Amino acid sequence: GAVVSQHPSWVICKSGTSVKIECRSLDFQATTMFWYRQFPKQSLMLMATSNEGSKATYEQGVEKDKFLINHASLTLSTLTVTSAHPEDSSFYICSATTSGGDNEQFFGPGTRLTVL
Amino acid sequence: AQKITQTQPGMFVQEKEAVTLDCTYDTSDPSYGLFWYKQPSSGEMIFLIYQGSYDQQNATEGRYSLNFQKARKSANLVISASQLGDSAMYFCAMREGWGGKLIFGQGTELSVKP
Repeated sequence: GAVVSQHPSWVICKSGTSVKIECRSLDFQATTMFWYRQFPKQSLMLMATSNEGSKATYEQGVEKDKFLINHASLTLSTLTVTSAHPEDSSFYICSATTSGGDNEQFFGPGTRLTVL
Repeated sequence: AQKITQTQPGMFVQEKEAVTLDCTYDTSDPSYGLFWYKQPSSGEMIFLIYQGSYDQQNATEGRYSLNFQKARKSANLVISASQLGDSAMYFCAMREGWGGKLIFGQGTELSVKP
């Protein structure tokens, strides 16, 4: 089956620093990737939709200048949390889907971010 | 307005018994897809089952079946012969249109008792 990886799987950083999270589709070309965040015991909340070669579409309430998304190739999307603060601590999950009307989104294993 | 609703924050089931996890949805798009995912404590999202809005029959995947009641806008997940490894969070999700974003319900935490 289709595999999506995320790196790193966990990261701890100091307040004010920036953190980059990578999402890769390993065995398929992902025309669209999605970024979600999940707080403990809560649901996944979509942050943005990323299409290869174009600007990401952010959901209402998500700061695009704080959460920078780049989808430079068909196999890689990155999420950069700029000037991270403790309230940004969360579980970040990406998913990827192929073109051609496939039904399924393939999820990465997630990245746990802790900002001290 | 909440588009996907899971009204059961937590559920308990005895091992080997069946359990139904509720999910209702709201959409005006005639074309949509409904998904169920399992999320164990490790955090990974495991795809379980999919139902398309035009599918005539209820989806089944092994011990998982989806009770699709289109007129009632419900898509309940039925897990038969529960196993201890089924203990996890379960999320219902809906995709409107084709290849679009997923909207997730609040989740149900299932605990299987030995």
